[in-house]
Amino acid sequence: EAGVAQSPRYKIIEKRQSVAFWCNPISGHATLYWYQQILGQGPKLLIQFQNNGVVDDSQLPKDRFSAERLKGVDSTLKIQPAKLEDSAVYLCASSLAASPSYNEQFFGPGTRLTVL
Amino acid sequence: AQSVTQLDSQVPVFEEAPVELRCNYSSSVSVYLFWYVQYPNQGLQLLLKYLSGSTLVESINGFEAEFNKSQTSFHLRKPSVHISDTAEYFCAVSDRGGKLIFGQGTTLQVKP
Repeated sequence: EAGVAQSPRYKIIEKRQSVAFWCNPISGHATLYWYQQILGQGPKLLIQFQNNGVVDDSQLPKDRFSAERLKGVDSTLKIQPAKLEDSAVYLCASSLAASPSYNEQFFGPGTRLTVL
Repeated sequence: AQSVTQLDSQVPVFEEAPVELRCNYSSSVSVYLFWYVQYPNQGLQLLLKYLSGSTLVESINGFEAEFNKSQTSFHLRKPSVHISDTAEYFCAVSDRGGKLIFGQGTTLQVKP
C-alpha cells in the first residue's frame, strides 16, 4: 500500500514570495491533516479536513496561509506572502476517519521550507 | 485545553543501557496517548499507543510505555537500547477528535 506522498521535499524561497505544497493521502482515507514542525519543536496542527470539508483550522494563520482539498483527495497548502518564521517542515497526514473511534494517522515525509 | 510536556530535550545513553523518556500531559477529558519516532530525514512513525484497557503498552522493537492517570504521565522505556534507536521521539495526546497535540520532542542519542 502506498504511503502519504508529498512534494516538493525541499523548497527555498525569499520572504514575501509565495509557495505551495502538495499532498496525496493514502487511498480511501477521508481525513487529511497539515502540520507545521518548526526546528526544535513538535508538530502543530494547521488544518484538518474531513473529505473536502474543513473540521479544524483554528491555528491556521489565515492572513497568509490557505489550504484546499478539492474532490476530497489531494490537498494543497499555500503560503502567500512567506515570512522568515514560516521556515519549517510541513507534514501531511491522513487517516481513515477522525472520530468517534481511533484511526491511526499516517505521515508523509514532509516538505522542508526555508525562507531567506 | 490539552498540552504535552516532554521533560528532557536530549537524552544521551550508552548502547545496551536502559533508557526512560518522560512525558506528562494535561487534559480535562479522556484521551488517547501516543509515542512517535522520527529518524533523520524521515517522516513520523507511530511507535506505540494507549487507547484503553491495559495501562502498559509495548512496541515490536522492545519499547514500552505505561499510562499513569493519577500522575498524568506516559513515560517511554526500553531496557537495552541499540545504536539504531538514535532518533527524535515525540509524545502526543488526542481528544478522540483526531487532532494530535505533540510535545516538543526528546532526542535520544545512543553512544557506542
